[in-house]
Amino acid sequence: QVQLQESGPGLVKPSQTLSLTCTVSGGSISSGSYYWSWIRQPAGKGLEWIGRIYTSGSTNYNPSLKSRVTISVDTSKNQFSLKLSSVTAADTAVYYCAREGLLSPAHFDYWGQGTLVTVSS
Amino acid sequence: QSALTQPASVSGSPGQSITISCTGTSSDVGGYNYVSWYQQHPGKAPKLMIYDVSNRPSGVSNRFSGSKSGNTASLTISGLQAEDEADYYCSSYTSSSTLLFGGGTKLTVL
Repeated sequence: QVQLQESGPGLVKPSQTLSLTCTVSGGSISSGSYYWSWIRQPAGKGLEWIGRIYTSGSTNYNPSLKSRVTISVDTSKNQFSLKLSSVTAADTAVYYCAREGLLSPAHFDYWGQGTLVTVSS
Repeated sequence: QSALTQPASVSGSPGQSITISCTGTSSDVGGYNYVSWYQQHPGKAPKLMIYDVSNRPSGVSNRFSGSKSGNTASLTISGLQAEDEADYYCSSYTSSSTLLFGGGTKLTVL
């Protein structure tokens, strides 16, 4: 059974960089059959796709966040990470990591439980 | 890129059927058979209910079905049950190799 778990600071100051890691267990992140994605959800609002990474390191990002987002992968640790720079209160949200089908995009079959990140001084 | 358009809310009585629409453009919903639907209960992570327009993952009730016509995809839930009350989101692959989600629909079981 594949499991994903987000980790990282729950509080980030404005203008700083938000950093989160997703640890994958029960399966190899290097399997080659999946993308690994980040999605966020502000309180009371809808889901927003942030971006994805493939095991090769190739990435796709939401155009509205592209200038501030970096997603990376560490296959030796079976982890992938998110960095979001120059954060503001608008970046306060629950952040999810998820597995997406390589041959079936938009198909997120496994999700982490989500982690709340608050941007505040 | 704008979010896919979903009705803010729908409602139905137990046993009835409801349909939630998800409207995009020819660059996303209409251009690819990569539309998925997610169910989200309060405080929980989304759960995949439909993928590739009309496929159900193992373990998802056959009361849930998906379809697509042109730039609009639809999720139909038949035989409504109290536990179906949740938020529902559609998502679609786009021509820019990115993803879009719908704004979400709150389903109320009366």
